[in-house]
Amino acid sequence: AQSVTQLDSQVPVFEEAPVELRCNYSSSVSVYLFWYVQYPNQGLQLLLKYLSGSTLVKGINGFEAEFNKSQTSFHLRKPSVHISDTAEYFCAVSDRVTGRRALTFGSGTRLQVQP
Amino acid sequence: SAVISQKPSRDICQRGTSLTIQCQVDSQVTMMFWYRQQPGQSLTLIATANQGSEATYESGFVIDKFPISRPNLTFSTLTVSNMSPEDSSIYLCSVQGVSYNEQFFGPGTRLTVL
Repeated sequence: AQSVTQLDSQVPVFEEAPVELRCNYSSSVSVYLFWYVQYPNQGLQLLLKYLSGSTLVKGINGFEAEFNKSQTSFHLRKPSVHISDTAEYFCAVSDRVTGRRALTFGSGTRLQVQP
Repeated sequence: SAVISQKPSRDICQRGTSLTIQCQVDSQVTMMFWYRQQPGQSLTLIATANQGSEATYESGFVIDKFPISRPNLTFSTLTVSNMSPEDSSIYLCSVQGVSYNEQFFGPGTRLTVL
């Protein structure tokens, strides 16, 4: 079984400030890791993913995330946010071993960028 | 990436009725998934639908309530049967991408049950 914990339900931040959205996971098997963004009244868009290799992953819109196996974390960061980054962000995992490709999602973090 | 459309985009339904949601993909895909996002909540997987086989349902979801069809590699439907206000949610379909470990999501169907 897998679970994903997003420690912050809401993160308010001022425009051009850096931000980190935290994600921890629990799994009995190795996982793939994902971050998705959901803008108001829209579907989910893939921001970035970690499959293997370098633990620092770069995604779209200037976001990056770092996989930390020992801490079972996959925190999302952006050095300078824009108003347009205001959205809901979801961390998700899928099973690397058994072939089950469905995603297990965290509860989401609402990023609110203020001018 | 795959382009996914869903119909309807939103609907308001009466208690006890059923609604069928369609999901259309612009390319052939093996695996399709249906998720539910209740108000203010995260996404929960309802079922996995592979073409040519019965859908696989997650714990807490049953075929009688959420029957799924997958007649070909580009199309699937999810029916929400005998609806109650607790079924008010956004229902999203997703598909597995060419890169096998990616999933692409449709825009969702926002369902309100009165």
